[in-house]
Amino acid sequence: AQSVAQPEDQVNVAEGNPLTVKCTYSVSGNPYLFWYVQYPNRGLQFLLKYITGDNLVKGSYGFEAEFNKSQTSFHLKKPSALVSDSALYFCAVRDGLTGGGNKLTFGTGTQLKVEL
Amino acid sequence: SAVISQKPSRDICQRGTSLTIQCQVDSQVTMMFWYRQQPGQSLTLIATANQGSEATYESGFVIDKFPISRPNLTFSTLTVSNMSPEDSSIYLCSATDRANTGELFFGEGSRLTVL
Repeated sequence: AQSVAQPEDQVNVAEGNPLTVKCTYSVSGNPYLFWYVQYPNRGLQFLLKYITGDNLVKGSYGFEAEFNKSQTSFHLKKPSALVSDSALYFCAVRDGLTGGGNKLTFGTGTQLKVEL
Repeated sequence: SAVISQKPSRDICQRGTSLTIQCQVDSQVTMMFWYRQQPGQSLTLIATANQGSEATYESGFVIDKFPISRPNLTFSTLTVSNMSPEDSSIYLCSATDRANTGELFFGEGSRLTVL
């Protein structure tokens, strides 16, 4: 079985400061990892993914994530936060070995609040 | 990428009634899925919509309650049957593209409130 943990319900950061949203995962085979963002009353928007290759993945809106196999983590980062980054962020995993039928398992979400 | 349109975007329904949500994708996709997002919670997969055959349901979800159709590669419907207040949720349609990279695209969701 595959699972994702987002240990923080909410992350608060001041605008201009770096931000990190944490995610750890568990899969049987190789992980396919994703980050999505959800703005109020909207669907989910894809931010970035790790399938293979460089551990540091760059995505939309200046976000990046670092895949760490030994720590089974895929934390989302941004060097300088913006107020407009305030939203709900979801980490998701798919088991690359079994394919999982493209079935993604989502974490519980982390609410990011960026303040002036 | 794929653009996914859902309708209705929101609705208020009476207990005991049924509502069908439509999902249209702007390109042919390999797989389509229906998720539920209950208030303040994460996404839970309801089922995989299979073209021309019965959907594959996840544990805790049954066809009688959530009948799904997928007559072709770009369209699917989800019906929420005999609704109760516990069915108040956002229902999200999603799909993978033909490259099958694992990335899911999502519709804007259908927010249902059951009174």
